Amino acid sequence: SYELTQPPSVSVSPGQTARITCSGDALPKQYAYWYQQKPGQAPLLVMYKDSERPSGIPERFSGSSSGTTVTLTISGVQAEDEADYYCQSADSSGTWVFGGGTKLTVL
Amino acid sequence: QVQLVQSGAEVKKPGASVKVSCKASGYTFTRYGINWVRQAPGQGLEWMGWISAYNGNTNYAQKLQGRVTMTTDTSTSTAYMELRSLRSDDTAVYYCARYSTYYYDSSGYVDYWGQGTLVTVSS
Repeated sequence: SYELTQPPSVSVSPGQTARITCSGDALPKQYAYWYQQKPGQAPLLVMYKDSERPSGIPERFSGSSSGTTVTLTISGVQAEDEADYYCQSADSSGTWVFGGGTKLTVL
Repeated sequence: QVQLVQSGAEVKKPGASVKVSCKASGYTFTRYGINWVRQAPGQGLEWMGWISAYNGNTNYAQKLQGRVTMTTDTSTSTAYMELRSLRSDDTAVYYCARYSTYYYDSSGYVDYWGQGTLVTVSS
């Protein structure tokens, strides 16, 4: 079955740049989406169609795609950005797949 | 404002069924779909399937085929997810989320989520 691979954890200091990657064979053909989830809360869409930012999401969040890897970049990380981040895409049949999630720690 | 309000927590025995509701407000229900996603304790997100609120078309995760049924009631703008033959590994928080279009498209996404419903399966 199709898989999306994320690093389990990323750590950065406040004000630095965090980059969270997501790899999958179908990513050159399918869009990727990113969700932020804080403890006890529902996920929140922070990026769609690789690099589109929903309204209300701070400009420090950006997305990019290159080959089989997509990247969520958070510039000038703030303490409030500490959360789990999940990438999501679809396989060739349209079945949704989530990455395993990346825990972002703000030191 | 868009809101999805889910039914309350459930405790079920193995082999039983559960039906979770998701009442939508703040938008035209039939212009969108609903995705269901679950999250086992301490684990990641798992996609369960999609239903069109326009025509009731569905697309279920292969893993759950035969055990899950998703429906909608357009008169009350409510979506339902029923899971049968429950097992202990079905213990999870179940989320509904608004899908960006009423038709299924691999470039679709979810933009609003319900608060989640904890379903515990235990003897």
